Amino acid sequence: GAVVSQHPSWVICKSGTSVKIECRSLDFQATTMFWYRQFPKQSLMLMATSNEGSKATYEQGVEKDKFLINHASLTLSTLTVTSAHPEDSSFYICSAGGPSGTGVQPQHFGDGTRLSIL
Amino acid sequence: QKEVEQDPGPLSVPEGAIVSLNCTYSNSAFQYFMWYRQYSRKGPELLMYTYSSGNKEDGRFTAQVDKSSKYISLFIRDSQPSDSATYLCAVNDYKLSFGAGTTVTVRA
Repeated sequence: GAVVSQHPSWVICKSGTSVKIECRSLDFQATTMFWYRQFPKQSLMLMATSNEGSKATYEQGVEKDKFLINHASLTLSTLTVTSAHPEDSSFYICSAGGPSGTGVQPQHFGDGTRLSIL
Repeated sequence: QKEVEQDPGPLSVPEGAIVSLNCTYSNSAFQYFMWYRQYSRKGPELLMYTYSSGNKEDGRFTAQVDKSSKYISLFIRDSQPSDSATYLCAVNDYKLSFGAGTTVTVRA
C-alpha cells in the first residue's frame, strides 16, 4: 500500500512555457501532499505543502506565482511551473502521508519529475 | 543550525560488510524518525520508521534512535551491491527535515 504516482517522469521544454506535474496517491486518500525540489548531489528541499481544498503553504523563498499548486481532490495534487526558465531545471518530487492512523505518518514519495528547460 | 546533520560520505564497503550510517538532530522534541533510500533519478523509498527511542529491525536493516544524545543510526547487515544508493535520514514533525544523504557503494 501507500503508492504515490508522479507524472511525467521527464519533460524537456522551451524557455517561457508552463509545465504541469501531477502527483497522485493511488491506494489512499491524502489531505496533505508535499512538493520538493532536489538539485544534483543535494538533499531534498521542501517547496510547499499542498492542502486539499485550500491554498498551499509555501516555504520561505519559494515564489508562489512561479510554482502554482492545486490540490483539487484527496488523491491529486498538481504543481505548475509557470513561464519556466533554465534555472528552474531540477528534479521535482512529491510526497504524501500514508493511510491515516494515530500520530504523524511517514511520507511516501513519487518517483520524481526531471524538468529540463532549454 | 541545521535540524538534521548527516555526513554525506561517500562510503564504500565490500559486499557482505556491515554498513553503519548516522545522523544527529537538534530539536529534542522530535519523536518520529525515518530512513529513506534513494536510487539515482528516483524518489526516496521509505526503509525504516521509528517512534521515540529504541531499536527496530527489518530483515538486514536495523534502525536505532538514542534520544538522550539526539543520535539516529541505520545498520545494514550482509550488504549487497543492490544496496548501493543514497541513504537519507529524516525527522518528522508534520514536515520532514532531511539530512544531506550518505552515498553508499557496495563493491562486489
